[in-house]
Amino acid sequence: DAGITQSPRHKVTETGTPVTLRCHQTENHRYMYWYRQDPGHGLRLIHYSYGVKDTDKGEVSDGYSVSRSKTEDFLLTLESATSSQTSVYFCATQEGYNSPLHFGNGTRLTVT
Amino acid sequence: AQTVTQSQPEMSVQEAETVTLSCTYDTSESDYYLFWYKQPPSRQMILVIRQEAYKQQNATENRFSVNFQKAAKSFSLKISDSQLGDAAMYFCAYRSGNAGGTSYGKLTFGQGTILTVHP
Repeated sequence: DAGITQSPRHKVTETGTPVTLRCHQTENHRYMYWYRQDPGHGLRLIHYSYGVKDTDKGEVSDGYSVSRSKTEDFLLTLESATSSQTSVYFCATQEGYNSPLHFGNGTRLTVT
Repeated sequence: AQTVTQSQPEMSVQEAETVTLSCTYDTSESDYYLFWYKQPPSRQMILVIRQEAYKQQNATENRFSVNFQKAAKSFSLKISDSQLGDAAMYFCAYRSGNAGGTSYGKLTFGQGTILTVHP
C-alpha cells in the first residue's frame, strides 16, 4: 500500500544487540510513523517524523531512536534490544495532515 | 490523554448475518476523527471507515456503517451481510483534529476485537 516497504519482514536477535528496522516509501509522503503492536494494547506510537530530519517521540519511545535523512526512508533503531521489545513493528506514511494513514506490512521482531 | 477502549476481545457471526463491534473513547477535545481498521491474518492494516466528529451523519462504506454517539463517546461498527473475508482483527482508533502542537496525525488505537465468521 502506498509503496511502503518494511525490511526485514522477520528478525530474531539476542538481548543486548543493536537492531535497525527500515521503512522505505515511494510516494513522497511528508509524514512517517513507527508503531508497535502487542496483544492487549493495539498499536502504540513509538516515534514519528514530519519532514526530513524532523522527528519527535510518541507514547512508547524509551529504548528507541529514529532517523530520517531522506524523504523516502525512516529508520527505527533499538540501541540494545530487550525482550520487552519483542513485537510487530509497523511503519505508516501520510501525505498530508488530514490524509489517511497507509501502513506497511510490518516487521516481526523477536528478542531472545 | 485520549484513550480508546474495545471491550469485546472476540466476536463471532454467522455468514450473511449482522454483527456490531463496540468502541468507546475518552477525550476532552471537540474536534477529532475516528476510524475503524481491519487487520486480516496477512497483518496488513486496512482502513474500513472514517468519521469526522463534527459530522452528525454516520459514515457508511458499502456493508460497513458506524453508529457515532458523540455525547456518549461511543463509535460502534456494524457489518451487514457478513462474509468469510470479513474475518479479521478490527481496531478502533482516534485522532485529534488539532493540527498544531505535536498532535499531527498520530492515532490512538483500541486493543482490538477478533471477529470470526462462521460459514
